[in-house]
Amino acid sequence: NAGVTQTPKFQVLKTGQSMTLQCAQDMNHNSMYWYRQDPGMGLRLIYYSASEGTTDKGEVPNGYNVSRLNKREFSLRLESAAPSQTSVYFCASGKGGRQPQHFGDGTRLSIL
Amino acid sequence: DQQVKQNSPSLSVQEGRISILNCDYTNSMFDYFLWYKKYPAEGPTFLISISSIKDKNEDGRFTVFLNKSAKHLSLHIVPSQPGDSAVYFCAASYSGAGSYQLTFGKGTKLSVIP
Repeated sequence: NAGVTQTPKFQVLKTGQSMTLQCAQDMNHNSMYWYRQDPGMGLRLIYYSASEGTTDKGEVPNGYNVSRLNKREFSLRLESAAPSQTSVYFCASGKGGRQPQHFGDGTRLSIL
Repeated sequence: DQQVKQNSPSLSVQEGRISILNCDYTNSMFDYFLWYKKYPAEGPTFLISISSIKDKNEDGRFTVFLNKSAKHLSLHIVPSQPGDSAVYFCAASYSGAGSYQLTFGKGTKLSVIP
């Protein structure tokens, strides 16, 4: 059982380049989430999708867009990458409500 | 403004002893709390949770205590084992937050010394 799979695991971009981070879950979860974690910080919510067909902004949405492609997949796009977006990005999924979220192993993104 | 605070960046404990990790929150609307454990180069994994209607929840070696009046919760690990060495994140949510969004603390790095 793969759980939550994120691709790629590592990426280096130049300022201004665009990129899409992919996330897929095989647990039939309704809700999916994108977080970023910066050094010495907790995880901060970028966007989430409570169910297929819906997306909402989290705490730090600026500079990002998301697509809930289907129930399994939730992608995060950086249209014009900036050095401030250098971070580790985590995707998570959950049944929704109070149920715990399950996390992928992260994408380490560096923007030069 | 940090709504969930973990004021100890690190903690070292001898194997077999008790580890106590603390978390404070400022938003009185939070009514559900979770602890996650994270190893390097992996995603966080869910450990234990507690609802605000309880003051204690236990799961094996892990116990979470909630003091609502003090807006404080703690995670006790007894006995501590070397495999418990990880970063522990406290998280909080409330039903008014869209889809029960989680707000995380900055984490406490626990080192269990054999």
